[in-house]
Formats: sequence, C-alpha cells, structure tokens
Amino acid sequence: DVKVTQSSRYLVKRTGEKVFLECVQDMDHENMFWYRQDPGLGLRLIYFSYDVKMKEKGDIPEGYSVSREKKERFSLILESASTNQTSMYLCASSFGLEDGYTFGSGTRLTVV
Amino acid sequence: LAKTTQPISMDSYEGQEVNITCSHNNIATNDYITWYQQFPSQGPRFIIQGYKTKVTNEVASLFIPADRKSSTLSLPRVSLSDTAVYYCLVGEGAGRRALTFGSGTRLQVQP
Repeated sequence: DVKVTQSSRYLVKRTGEKVFLECVQDMDHENMFWYRQDPGLGLRLIYFSYDVKMKEKGDIPEGYSVSREKKERFSLILESASTNQTSMYLCASSFGLEDGYTFGSGTRLTVV
Repeated sequence: LAKTTQPISMDSYEGQEVNITCSHNNIATNDYITWYQQFPSQGPRFIIQGYKTKVTNEVASLFIPADRKSSTLSLPRVSLSDTAVYYCLVGEGAGRRALTFGSGTRLQVQP
C-alpha cells in the first residue's frame, strides 16, 4: 500500500522555536506539497516541489521554507514559530495528474 | 486557476443518492476536474477525476456537461461512513501548478 508518512501526528512547540515537519513518500512521486488546514478556510497551499531541490511558493509561504534534498522527502520549516501557525499541516505527493494527490495523515501543530 | 463554488453543506439519509454540484465558470481548456473526500483528522483522499462527459468508478460517478462550467459528483446509496467533506478542484495539478482546495461541501448522512 502506497504511503505518505508524516513524522509526527501531534507537536507542541514554543513561540520562536525553529520547527521541522518531515514528510516521506514511498511512491517515487515527482511532486510533493505542503498544505495547512484551518477551520472554515479549507486547505491552503504553502509550498510545493516538482523535483529534487526545486520549490515553488504556494498561496501562503510567508513564515515558512522547505527543503527537498531527496526525491522521497519534503520538509517544511517554520523559521520562527508563531501562534498563528498553530494548524493542521498536510503533506501530499503525486506522480502525474492521472493519479491525483496522496495525502499523509497530517501533523497537528500547536505553538504556545 | 479556475475558482470553484460548491455548497457549504448537505444532508442526506442512508440509502439515498447524493449529488454535489460544483461550479467552475472559468475552467481552462487544459483543466481537469477532481474530487476528494476528507474524514475528520485525516488527509483528503482522491475519489474521481474527469475531463468531460461521464466518469464512473467503484466509489462515485462524475458528470460533466459539454460546456464544462460545472460538474456533479454522484454518490450512489450513501451510508453513514460517507459522512465527510467533499472538495471539488479544477486545474492541471502536478507539474508547475498545484491544486487549490476550497472549503468543500460537508455531507452529513443520517440513519
């Protein structure tokens, strides 16, 4: 069964900390994505990557950065966590349009 | 990217057919229409995708009229386990453009 695995299900961090959210996929997908989901706002795209070492800003990249050193791993970095970054973070991957996106189970991050 | 409009919520009863319509007036020639399902505390799950006319799989059917300005997701004989949020997306998806999710339609299935 193909999978997108997010390293943590729940995470609590302090304001100002540097936070790393890790995502690994085992499907040899070219494309990987980071979304955040907040009540009433749906899923919003933060960053995505269509190849190793390549990245593109999504709709809300401010306060975030990403790293894709290997094809299977896409990391989301919160440079200096703030309380307004408390959210559910969802990672996804896709090979092509025909397959759709496969999502991980999400990481619920709380910044205190 | 084409914007989509879908109802915020819908209610149904077990055994009924549910049709969720999505409007996408500005859909581009190369855009596909994709539907996802999301249960609480889980990531969205791909349900079905189409470009025109009708697509059917083991889970749902997708009806797309000739002008492609709307689409309808049809869930036959829903059960309680179909209670979820359903998202309609339009776009080229992977590659240089990523899909944008709206707020979705919250479907509540009652016994």
